[in-house]
Amino acid sequence: NAGVMQNPRHLVRRRGQEARLRCSPMKGHSHVYWYRQLPEEGLKFMVYLQKENIIDESGMPKERFSAEFPKEGPSILRIQQVVRGDSAAYFCASSPSRETEAFFGQGTRLTVV
Amino acid sequence: RKEVEQDPGPFNVPEGATVAFNCTYSNSASQSFFWYRQDCRKEPKLLMSVYSSGNEDGRFTAQLNRASQYISLLIRDSKLSDSATYLCVVNTPNNDMRFGAGTRLTVKP
Repeated sequence: NAGVMQNPRHLVRRRGQEARLRCSPMKGHSHVYWYRQLPEEGLKFMVYLQKENIIDESGMPKERFSAEFPKEGPSILRIQQVVRGDSAAYFCASSPSRETEAFFGQGTRLTVV
Repeated sequence: RKEVEQDPGPFNVPEGATVAFNCTYSNSASQSFFWYRQDCRKEPKLLMSVYSSGNEDGRFTAQLNRASQYISLLIRDSKLSDSATYLCVVNTPNNDMRFGAGTRLTVKP
């Protein structure tokens, strides 16, 4: 059973481009969480999704950021018109049900130049 | 008040020392609690769940105090390999997981 898979591991984008980060949860996991971690800082919650539904997006910036978890395929975190301040590590985690522990992917490190 | 608060440290301790971390949470309706460990620039990994009655796993002991809304992690006989950032995690009533900012531990020879 493969772990949580995130790709790409590293992503470089120029200011104004779009970034798409993908997360394939562990098999049988229907809950997905996205977190952002700036250098030398803690994990900041962004969004919590279940299949086809956004449960809590209170941590998502109001503009340029969106997330989805379709019925088929990975969860996608999309950042439009990236700016330098978007440079960070983005971690995805999945869990099989509510109130159980979550398992993390290795993260995508986004660098905006 | 932040949803989950931790002392950021750093805690610098010698090998063999006992060290304890606390974490407070703001939502009294939270039901699930965990400690994760994060090594530099890597993904967080589950260290242990925290149960109401307290639980122990080798040198690690976790406790929950619902009345005061805090959880703790005790590490006995610290090893060099325990050096990491320890993250407190609380499930909100929405069942999304909120992380503390982490407590950095360095164990020195």
